[in-house]
Amino acid sequence: GAGVSQSPRYKVAKRGQDVALRCDPISGHVSLFWYQQALGQGPEFLTYFQNEAQLDKSGLPSDRFFAERPEGSVSTLKIQRTQQEDSAVYLCASSPGFRGSTYNEQFFGPGTRLTVL
Amino acid sequence: AQRVTQPEKLLSVFKGAPVELKCNYSYSGSPELFWYVQYSRQRLQLLLRHISRESIKGFTADLNKGETSFHLKKPFAQEEDSAMYYCALSGRGSSNTGKLIFGQGTTLQVKP
Repeated sequence: GAGVSQSPRYKVAKRGQDVALRCDPISGHVSLFWYQQALGQGPEFLTYFQNEAQLDKSGLPSDRFFAERPEGSVSTLKIQRTQQEDSAVYLCASSPGFRGSTYNEQFFGPGTRLTVL
Repeated sequence: AQRVTQPEKLLSVFKGAPVELKCNYSYSGSPELFWYVQYSRQRLQLLLRHISRESIKGFTADLNKGETSFHLKKPFAQEEDSAMYYCALSGRGSSNTGKLIFGQGTTLQVKP
């Protein structure tokens, strides 16, 4: 079946532009995660949704970062007034479990590579 | 502080040699530990988790709570094992979201 998809796969933005990154999780998956992966580093957690509720946004690096999942399926990560330090691969992952359930495997998308010039 | 440390950025071995990818963690509580793998031009995927206590593609990992380590081992490396390997942890409990804390990753290169 279809896995997690993300679009666009590559995005080049000029410093100061706003960008929107989309994630289509596996159908029926309750949980959705966003991670940021800088070059040469492991992924770092940004935010977590359970259905449409954003239950954890502790990893968002600044108030320029905003995420939503209004209908509990597709999610969008928006970055306002992009800076060079925002250049990274943004990964989305979904899993079937609820918060507090026994760990459910996270299925990752291919990522969006954002380059801010 | 919650942290996962993978001390080696690159591990290069010959085909048939044993492999050990090191992982140490710091966590207040009892975490779940995982190894994720990313093959060339593929997405990140789960390799194994400590509570399953299973062997996947010949790899095993034992959780050592005393040393707070979760090293990944394989007795005989194959060329197709060449990939980036990430150690990760997740908390447990009713308030836990399942978010993963990753190490920096180790590139395993298996030479013919």
